[in-house]
Amino acid sequence: DQQVKQNSPSLSVQEGRISILNCDYTNSMFDYFLWYKKYPAEGPTFLISISSIKDKNEDGRFTVFLNKSAKHLSLHIVPSQPGDSAVYFCALDGGSNYKLTFGKGTLLTVNP
Amino acid sequence: DTAVSQTPKYLVTQMGNDKSIKCEQNLGHDTMYWYKQDSKKFLKIMFSYNNKELIINETVPNRFSPKSPDKAHLNLHINSLELGDSAVYFCASSQRGAGAQETQYFGPGTRLLVL
Repeated sequence: DQQVKQNSPSLSVQEGRISILNCDYTNSMFDYFLWYKKYPAEGPTFLISISSIKDKNEDGRFTVFLNKSAKHLSLHIVPSQPGDSAVYFCALDGGSNYKLTFGKGTLLTVNP
Repeated sequence: DTAVSQTPKYLVTQMGNDKSIKCEQNLGHDTMYWYKQDSKKFLKIMFSYNNKELIINETVPNRFSPKSPDKAHLNLHINSLELGDSAVYFCASSQRGAGAQETQYFGPGTRLLVL
């Protein structure tokens, strides 16, 4: 029973173009949404987050969009760079406990 | 300086053995976590401690016993290791806990292989 789904296991993009990573969830109790980036043999590192009271948060090349009615979260990276190649996890916080619920991750490859 | 560190980075052992993984954070955070990433790549919470008190225990077998000697450390001891315990184990920490919208910071992971 996956509460958080990242339906694309991989995505390949040309350098300079936009990368769009998607995440869908089922539980309306989630109220804080995060994206983590993970390189091989390293731990996940925090990238950007958004609260349920917002629908967009931007930080440099990274923008997260939240559509609560559709229970959909997306991360836009523009322009994409080869160094962005990594696995991206969405992680959701229900606020009432101490845990994050993670998606399965999407492997992004940015080709030079 | 490493914010969240784990030792060892790699651990290869035989079935039935007992092993420990150590975690330390120098961020001054109150809450620490253990996650397991299995072969299907899902990152799942196992335990959470807040100020040395167990907050979350996600139906993990009692062969797994976390221990928090102080706020900066959360160790994971595993008894009678089984093949299915092979995974990557990540430690994480955050400033506060329940009800707070916050970021968790992860260690580099410990790759456990049980033969």
